[in-house]
Amino acid sequence: KQEVTQIPAALSVPEGENLVLNCSFTDSAIYNLQWFRQDPGKGLTSLLLIQSSQREQTSGRLNASLDKSSGRSTLYIAASQPGDSATYLCAVSGETSGSRLTFGEGTQLTVNP
Amino acid sequence: GAVVSQHPSWVICKSGTSVKIECRSLDFQATTMFWYRQFPKQSLMLMATSNEGSKATYEQGVEKDKFLINHASLTLSTLTVTSAHPEDSSFYICSAGTSGWVETQYFGPGTRLLVL
Repeated sequence: KQEVTQIPAALSVPEGENLVLNCSFTDSAIYNLQWFRQDPGKGLTSLLLIQSSQREQTSGRLNASLDKSSGRSTLYIAASQPGDSATYLCAVSGETSGSRLTFGEGTQLTVNP
Repeated sequence: GAVVSQHPSWVICKSGTSVKIECRSLDFQATTMFWYRQFPKQSLMLMATSNEGSKATYEQGVEKDKFLINHASLTLSTLTVTSAHPEDSSFYICSAGTSGWVETQYFGPGTRLLVL
């Protein structure tokens, strides 16, 4: 059974800092990995999707990397802003289960002005 | 494009009543819809997967007679929580998948259920 772990569970940083969120998964047989953002009481916003054959994806100040063989992904946020405050969720899609997503428990990020 | 809506966004009900939550794909046809549940400070847990016109596939530990899922069309799926109890209070999120072997899922804004 796939398990996804995110570290740290919570992170508080001053505005402007670069930061890294970590995600690990136990079964490396994945089709893709996604990073989502969730604001309090809201649904999910997809940030980045990395196919299993890719090593990284970038969107603006966000960069996600994937090391499939070691079961790890990182989300790098450059020059953090208060508006980045949210919970960031990592999810993997398994090869054998099609599009079923397994989520980590998230990292709650607070960026202080 | 690829917008998914949920209705209602908030619902408060008495214990023992049934609650229906709708999930709609507004600008695309969803071959598959997924229902997730999220408890406070926890991640999303997949409850069931439904394909249009067929019975939903429930995850282990999810009672299919309690959480009724209907996927009547390619743009609408409903989740009915029957005889709701306080422990069913949670945030319910649906997602809609487009066609393809590994579908891209688009998530709805969620429905907060509070059972008194």
